[in-house]
Amino acid sequence: GENVEQHPSTLSVQEGDSAVIKCTYSDSASNYFPWYKQELGKGPQLIIDIRSNVGEKKDQRIAVTLNKTAKHFSLHITETQPEDSAVYFCAATIFGNEKLTFGTGTRLTIIP
Amino acid sequence: KAGVTQTPRYLIKTRGQQVTLSCSPISGHRSVSWYQQTPGQGLQFLFEYFSETQRNKGNFPGRFSGRQFSNSRSEMNVSTLELGDSALYLCASSLAGDGNEQFFGPGTRLTVL
Repeated sequence: GENVEQHPSTLSVQEGDSAVIKCTYSDSASNYFPWYKQELGKGPQLIIDIRSNVGEKKDQRIAVTLNKTAKHFSLHITETQPEDSAVYFCAATIFGNEKLTFGTGTRLTIIP
Repeated sequence: KAGVTQTPRYLIKTRGQQVTLSCSPISGHRSVSWYQQTPGQGLQFLFEYFSETQRNKGNFPGRFSGRQFSNSRSEMNVSTLELGDSALYLCASSLAGDGNEQFFGPGTRLTVL
């Protein structure tokens, strides 16, 4: 089955700086990669996703890049703000399959 | 549009008991998936229901079961509770046919004593 590794497990950045979280996946058949943000006491919230027919996708301060050959994808957050502090999870699956395999999460702390 | 709702939000049970958790998906969503979240194992897929049928299943023992009703609401049941079943149980819904976007509820925090 699919296995997703995520790094780093914790990340602290100064407010206004950029943050990058990286994930690798094992199943070359996977072609859908969502990113979730989980705040304390809440369920994961989808913040951005990418399908394997594109290499990069942006949404305001958030971007995701995908390298199918190397089987890794990354989340980039620019101009970080205190409200970006949360746990971020990457996931992978085959498009049309509702079973998501998650990474182990990255606790991002933005230092004011 | 209302989000995914889960009830109850918190639950305390003792070993050997059974528990039923409920999930109401976003209106119009036909697929409901369940996940277990623990500090040690992270987010793990339990099962997915679509049109009242289990379509996908994770690697959990048979004590974990679920069902889906005709209005897409879903329940999951855990029988003979063990201490290790203490976790946040998350439900996610999707249109299932119009992309993979899954939207999660706030979860049910189950504590087994």
